[in-house]
Amino acid sequence: DAMVIQNPRYQVTQFGKPVTLSCSQTLNHNVMYWYQQKSSQAPKLLFHYYDKDFNNEADTPDNFQSRRPNTSFCFLDIRSPGLGDAAMYLCATSSNRRSYNEQFFGPGTRLTVL
Amino acid sequence: AQTVTQSQPEMSVQEAETVTLSCTYDTSESDYYLFWYKQPPSRQMILVIRQEAYKQQNATENRFSVNFQKAAKSFSLKISDSQLGDAAMYFCAYSLSSTNTGKLIFGQGTTLQVKP
Repeated sequence: DAMVIQNPRYQVTQFGKPVTLSCSQTLNHNVMYWYQQKSSQAPKLLFHYYDKDFNNEADTPDNFQSRRPNTSFCFLDIRSPGLGDAAMYLCATSSNRRSYNEQFFGPGTRLTVL
Repeated sequence: AQTVTQSQPEMSVQEAETVTLSCTYDTSESDYYLFWYKQPPSRQMILVIRQEAYKQQNATENRFSVNFQKAAKSFSLKISDSQLGDAAMYFCAYSLSSTNTGKLIFGQGTTLQVKP
């Protein structure tokens, strides 16, 4: 089945230690999104790629970076995780950026910062 | 700025009964899309139903239907004949059609419990 895969499902890191979260998709979608979802809060968009074109949200901290080496893969790098970065990170894909388009989500990576 | 509000953190329903989840949003735009997404425990978030703001007719997908009140900026989800598999967190989301980013603005979510 075509799907969005996130690895790892659970990630524990230490305060200030860089961490990378991975997302891959078999849907061949042009657009990939990264959302941050804190406990009991709404998912919040961090940035998205349209093909290789990177689009950052204005309020996304510089501590968060992303890479998309090819259509299938997208990475979220947190350069110096703080305690406030502990959250669920959701990856989603869409065939294009039209607003009515369905987004397909991965299961998320839960990040713990010690 | 657009915002989405779900005022019910938790809801419960008896199996086979009907439940309505509430959602309100704030926008000054006239052309947008509204969605309900379902996130089962430890599983992917999936699209339940979608509504185009320019359509007056309420969207329906099998047991799921919406009550879209554009003037009131209200977008509730009705689940009929509730099943155990409907237990999940439900998110209401908004997307502005003119931005060409597909960006979703989510509400805080409503956790639905289905009692056998």
